[in-house]
Order: sequence, then C-alpha cells, then structure tokens
Amino acid sequence: NAGVTQTPKFQVLKTGQSMTLQCAQDMNHEYMSWYRQDPGMGLRLIHYSVGAGITDQGEVPNGYNVSRSTTEDFPLRLLSAAPSQTSVYFCASSYSYVGDGYTFGSGTRLTVV
Amino acid sequence: DQQVKQNSPSLSVQEGRISILNCDYTNSMFDYFLWYKKYPAEGPTFLISISSIKDKNEDGRFTVFLNKSAKHLSLHIVPSQPGDSAVYFCAARDDNYGQNFVFGPGTRLSVLP
Repeated sequence: NAGVTQTPKFQVLKTGQSMTLQCAQDMNHEYMSWYRQDPGMGLRLIHYSVGAGITDQGEVPNGYNVSRSTTEDFPLRLLSAAPSQTSVYFCASSYSYVGDGYTFGSGTRLTVV
Repeated sequence: DQQVKQNSPSLSVQEGRISILNCDYTNSMFDYFLWYKKYPAEGPTFLISISSIKDKNEDGRFTVFLNKSAKHLSLHIVPSQPGDSAVYFCAARDDNYGQNFVFGPGTRLSVLP
C-alpha cells in the first residue's frame, strides 16, 4: 500500500541548477497536483493534471514544468533553481475532483543556495 | 491576499476538553470545504469535509460547522487527545484551478496531557 511516493525527501541545489522532483501513485487516481508549502502561506498550487496527457497551471507555476505521460507519474521540473524556490513540495492525488480528499505524499524539502 | 484565512497560528488545549479551530474565507463561490491534519515530516491527511449545502458534518470526535453568511468554518474536536496535536489546514474548493483546493496557512494545535 504505497499510496503517493515522492523522491527525493531532501535536496540542496545551487542557484541555476535544474532538477526533477518525482511523484508516483499506485491508486489509479486521475487527479494529481503539486503544492508548495511556505511558512505562514499554507499550501499553494503549482500545477495539476486531470489525467494522462493533460496538465494545467495553478496559482504559482512560474519556474516549474510538469508532464503526465502515465496515470501513475507526475514529475515536477525546476528549470533554473532560485532561492525563492526553497520550500517543501507536496504531491497529491485523488480519484476524482468531486469532494474527495487528496492523498498526499510525505514531501520533498528543497533548499536552493 | 489570502482567500482562506486561519487567524490563530497556534492553539493549546487540555486533554479531554474541546478544541475549536476557526477558518474564514472571502470567496462566496467556494462550495466545498475540507480539513486536513499534518504531523511533522509527513504529508497532510484528510480529516473531514463539508458541502456548502450543509451547515454541519460529524465524524466521530470531529465536527465541522459552516456558516455561509459569515463565510466561516470551524472544526470542533471533542474530547481532545494528545495524538490530535498537529497542524490543521482548512481548504476550500476553487473552480479557477480545475476544482483544486485553496489552503489556509494552518493552525498548530497542542493538546496538553
């Protein structure tokens, strides 16, 4: 019963580096989302997907790319890391949007120096 | 400006007493609300939900109340237990982002033995 798996759990990047945060779910959920959590800000939506091949922007998409080639995987790419992207990143999935709560991964703590 | 507000960053309650966590929102179009609980180093977990057509929903020790005219939600935990110590996030469904959720900044609840 893996649920939503995020890797890595911790990462330190230098300004300008790129990397991919991995997210995989084994529940056959159609909906997947990426959020970032910053102190005093709650969780803010970065990108989301309503199914394989379909993605869209959330509230704070700048500096991030996503793709959804399979139902299971929804990677988040940082194109050129900036200190402002220091945050905790959560991936979430749900069976449908109609009232179902998300299942969240345990998060990736990213520090950009 | 935050659309979902949790004005109390922290709350301390004695074990066995009632915990009341509050949430205010600004967008009258929000039609579905969730509460999540988060322990350190873990992802948020779904706790309870309420639709805008209801004013109350109960699940065991947890009850959520919705006052649409005041744009106010509250989560009641009775009786509070030490294991309830966590950060609680209020979230509202936002049609702007594929019906993803907008989160408040969270309230840290400490239940004292």
